[in-house]
Amino acid sequence: EVQLVQSGAEVKKPGDSLEISCKGSGYTFSTYWIAWVRQMPGKGLEWIGIIYPRDSKVKYSPSFQGQVAIAADKSINTAYLRWSSVLASDTAIYYCARHQSETSENCPVDIWGQGTRVTVS
Amino acid sequence: DIVMTQSPDSLAVSLGERATINCKSSQSVLYNSNKKNYLAWYQQKPGQPPKLFFSWSSTRESGVPGRFSGSGSGTDFTLTISALQAEDVAVYYCQQYYNSPFSFGPGTKVEIK
Repeated sequence: EVQLVQSGAEVKKPGDSLEISCKGSGYTFSTYWIAWVRQMPGKGLEWIGIIYPRDSKVKYSPSFQGQVAIAADKSINTAYLRWSSVLASDTAIYYCARHQSETSENCPVDIWGQGTRVTVS
Repeated sequence: DIVMTQSPDSLAVSLGERATINCKSSQSVLYNSNKKNYLAWYQQKPGQPPKLFFSWSSTRESGVPGRFSGSGSGTDFTLTISALQAEDVAVYYCQQYYNSPFSFGPGTKVEIK
C-alpha cells in the first residue's frame, strides 16, 4: 500500500526550532515529488513547496521562501519541513502529499499524509 | 504567480439537487502542446486530509462517484454534483499545477439545505 506517514503533533514556544517528517512507503520514494501544504485553523489549503528526493531539488512558494526549509533523506524515504524559529502564526496542520506521476511535478497530488498539527504558544 | 479564485464561498443544496462550484485561474492553465488543463479538484471532509477527485480538469479519480463531474478549459472550470448526497458535505478546492507555486483556490463549502 502506498502511504505517507507523518510525525506526531508538536507543541512549541515562539522562537523554538522545529522539524516535522513524512515517511513514504509502498513506492519508489526518490522519484516522486513531495509537496508540503499548510492549513491554518478553519482556513484553506496553502501550497508551501515541493521537493524531489532523488536530488533534493526544492521549489518554494514566495510566501514561504525563507520562512521554512524543505529537505529529504532518500535513504530512509523521509521528507522534512523545518523551522529555525517558529511563530504563533505557524500554528496549523501541515500535510505532506505525493505527486501523482513519477518524476513529474506538473501533476496533482494523490497520496496525502494524515497531517501534523503544530501549535505554537 | 497564478491566483485561483472560487465561487461561491459556500452553498447549501437540498438532497438530490445539483450543486455547481466554479473555479477561475488568473491565467490559462491549458498547455497548448498536449491540450491538457493542469487543474485538479480535491474534496476535504472535517478532520481528514484532502482527497484528489479530478485531475486534468475532468479526469475522475478511481472511487469518485459518477454524480461528480469536472469541466472547463483555459481559465474557467466547474465542479458539478448532479444529485447531492449527504456524504458530499465537504469543502472542495481547485488547484493549478501548471506553474509553481501550485496554488489552491480558497475553497467552497457545500452543505445540505
